[in-house]
Amino acid sequence: SQQGEEDPQALSIQEGENATMNCSYKTSINNLQWYRQNSGRGLVHLILIRSNEREKHSGRLRVTLDTSKKSSSLLITASRAADTASYFCATDSAGNMLTFGGGTRLMVKP
Amino acid sequence: EAGVVQSPRYKIIEKKQPVAFWCNPISGHNTLYWYLQNLGQGPELLIRYENEEAVDDSQLPKDRFSAERLKGVDSTLKIQPAELGDSAVYLCASSLGLASYNEQFFGPGTRLTVL
Repeated sequence: SQQGEEDPQALSIQEGENATMNCSYKTSINNLQWYRQNSGRGLVHLILIRSNEREKHSGRLRVTLDTSKKSSSLLITASRAADTASYFCATDSAGNMLTFGGGTRLMVKP
Repeated sequence: EAGVVQSPRYKIIEKKQPVAFWCNPISGHNTLYWYLQNLGQGPELLIRYENEEAVDDSQLPKDRFSAERLKGVDSTLKIQPAELGDSAVYLCASSLGLASYNEQFFGPGTRLTVL
């Protein structure tokens, strides 16, 4: 079973636009992480936000966390064609295990 | 610095045949993970090791799957016999330690097709 669920499942935007994807989870967490997976390649860690943080930035990425709503969002600003990938949220659970959501497939059209 | 290495990258076998996947983690990473990823879904943890000890294998189907990390470095995941439903990508990852705040570094995966 997957604790995190991303929304939307798929997103198509034009280059230069912003992309927002959301993640909802069910149980309390210590931290939430976002990963990116390009077609045919492994996952790459993007950013980690702890449960006592509300917002975090890394370059063109902005992540928010609302523990009261058990949700997080990932914003990619000024998207590029190279941002085309699947994006997964992962939450930690009992025993420090990461549980991944089903992912949002982002397509950035040049 | 080399990343997580996996081999083979692709494997096609007939059902009921055995198959093995190999993973070499990043040097110095004590924790190693094996994940299964079905098409269009996120990775699901099969087993994780702290050095040579399996600390969580509750999701590993033990009737047909086995794994080992004998010297606490590289690891092998085996399926015997393979079933059609085992077709998926098998990902290996490593991290400095067990704590969830440690970034996991993933290999490129082995894509298994069972015919």
